Amino acid sequence: AQTVTQSQPEMSVQEAETVTLSCTYDTSENNYYLFWYKQPPSRQMILVIRQEAYKQQNATENRFSVNFQKAAKSFSLKISDSQLGDTAMYFCALLLLGTASKLTFGTGTRLQVTL
Amino acid sequence: NAGVTQTPKFRILKIGQSMTLQCAQDMNHNYMYWYRQDPGMGLKLIYYSVGAGITDKGEVPNGYNVSRSTTEDFPLRLELAAPSQTSVYFCASSYGDREGGNQPQHFGDGTRLSIL
Repeated sequence: AQTVTQSQPEMSVQEAETVTLSCTYDTSENNYYLFWYKQPPSRQMILVIRQEAYKQQNATENRFSVNFQKAAKSFSLKISDSQLGDTAMYFCALLLLGTASKLTFGTGTRLQVTL
Repeated sequence: NAGVTQTPKFRILKIGQSMTLQCAQDMNHNYMYWYRQDPGMGLKLIYYSVGAGITDKGEVPNGYNVSRSTTEDFPLRLELAAPSQTSVYFCASSYGDREGGNQPQHFGDGTRLSIL
């Protein structure tokens, strides 16, 4: 069975600074996707970024980028120029291809952006 | 285009009562999912469906039932509610094919359920 581990329950960053959230995963499969979801206090689940495992190039979406290390099974999220609106829970998730797109989630990292 | 709509947003049940959480999507997605999120935890898959008439168990199915009579709707039924089912429930949908993962899951806003 696959697992996703987020070892940082809480993190804090000052506005305009950069922060990196860690995620490691375990699977014996070779074909999968990785995701970062954001859950603000409104409770919505918002897709931040995704990475296809077969792609070596790290995904980027505006201020959000990932560092995908397939051999190490590591998938960290970097948020640049942090904004107050980035305050949220962040979940890392793994999807194995051919499994009806079922997601396995980590336990989340609560990020607080301060002035 | 409303996306994924869940009703109700909040509900309090007494132990032993039953209820149905409603989920509807208008994106013509074939895959639908129910998750629960306990405090301080990630989401865990309860049930999922790859199309009308097809459902399957996820990681934590005990105490729940689902049906998928149409592409749009995927209700989750709780029979004999127990305090351990106090949680926030999320419905999600996506377009899936044999390869999987081509489209991200879209989530509803969640239902906060308390069993007292």
